[in-house]
Amino acid sequence: NAGVTQTPKFQVLKTGQSMTLQCAQDMNHNSMYWYRQDPGMGLRLIYYSASEGTTDKGEVPNGYNVSRLNKREFSLRLESAAPSQTSVYFCASSEQNYGYTFGSGTRLTVV
Amino acid sequence: DQQVKQNSPSLSVQEGRISILNCDYTNSMFDYFLWYKKYPAEGPTFLISISSIKDKNEDGRFTVFLNKSAKHLSLHIVPSQPGDSAVYFCAASENFNKFYFGSGTKLNVKP
Repeated sequence: NAGVTQTPKFQVLKTGQSMTLQCAQDMNHNSMYWYRQDPGMGLRLIYYSASEGTTDKGEVPNGYNVSRLNKREFSLRLESAAPSQTSVYFCASSEQNYGYTFGSGTRLTVV
Repeated sequence: DQQVKQNSPSLSVQEGRISILNCDYTNSMFDYFLWYKKYPAEGPTFLISISSIKDKNEDGRFTVFLNKSAKHLSLHIVPSQPGDSAVYFCAASENFNKFYFGSGTKLNVKP
């Protein structure tokens, strides 16, 4: 049982480049989330999807887009990467009344 | 402004003693609270939860206390073990909707 799988684990981008972070869960959870973790800031919610076909902004959505491709997959896209988007990105999934299951993270550096 | 705050970035405790990690929140509508533990290069893992209908929840060496009037919760670890050394995040939500996380407290348990 893989839980939540994120790819890639590491990525270096140049300013202005685009990329998509992939996330897939095999627990049949309805809700999925993208968080970023920065020193001293904890985990901040970028976007979430309460169910297949829906997406909503979180605390820090600017500069990102998301796609809930199906119930299993929730991708995060950076259209034009900026150094301020250097962070560790975590995908999570959950079912009502249960806590989150997190992926192992994607460490992104924008130079 | 952060809705969930962990004001102590770090805590050092001797093995066998009690570790107390604190968390404050500002939104009185929050009714479900979680603690997560995070090791380096891994995603956060669920530790313990509490809902607003309770003021205490216990699971082995871990106990979470909730003081709704003070908007404060704490995590007690007794006895502390070196393997407990990690970053601990508290998180809060309203109606188990999206969770807001604190900035984390790095616990170091000295042998």
